[in-house]
Amino acid sequence: GAVVSQHPSWVICKSGTSVKIECRSLDFQATTMFWYRQFPKQSLMLMATSNEGSKATYEQGVEKDKFLINHASLTLSTLTVTSAHPEDSSFYICSARIESEIYGYTFGSGTRLTVV
Amino acid sequence: QKEVEQDPGPLSVPEGAIVSLNCTYSNSAFQYFMWYRQYSRKGPELLMYTYSSGNKEDGRFTAQVDKSSKYISLFIRDSQPSDSATYLCAMDNNQGGKLIFGQGTELSVKP
Repeated sequence: GAVVSQHPSWVICKSGTSVKIECRSLDFQATTMFWYRQFPKQSLMLMATSNEGSKATYEQGVEKDKFLINHASLTLSTLTVTSAHPEDSSFYICSARIESEIYGYTFGSGTRLTVV
Repeated sequence: QKEVEQDPGPLSVPEGAIVSLNCTYSNSAFQYFMWYRQYSRKGPELLMYTYSSGNKEDGRFTAQVDKSSKYISLFIRDSQPSDSATYLCAMDNNQGGKLIFGQGTELSVKP
């Protein structure tokens, strides 16, 4: 089936630095990619939706300048957390829409970000 | 009120038990209903999906949707320790592809 490869699986960074998370669709073209954030024992909260070649659409309350999303190709989308702070520590998950299926959502394996 | 409410659990059952997981929702526009399983520190994996009302069975898993009551369920028969995970319901109104997730129920199946 369709696979989204997400890297890194975990990262620790210092406060004030930036971190980039990549999601690659391995055997299909991901026109639409969703980025979620998940705090411990909580559900997935959609942060933004990106479409290849256009600007991402952010959910209410998500800072566009802090969470930069790039979806420059049909196989790669990136999320950059800029000037990270401890409160940004969370589990970030990408999900791609598989256009050829009715329900086609495939998820990456997630990235655990810890900001110290 | 959240669009999707899910019993938070945690739920602990003995091996072999029948497990019932449930979600309620408020948005009548939801048409597609999904159940995902998420192991610790991993991304969700799709277990089952249904469209509109009705039942769907896949091995030990049965998904039910009652649109009139805005209520969905996932039943797990003959539960196994390997079923221990967090189960998330998710819904889609087929407009823009946004999935709305429930809070997740943490299930533990004890051998």
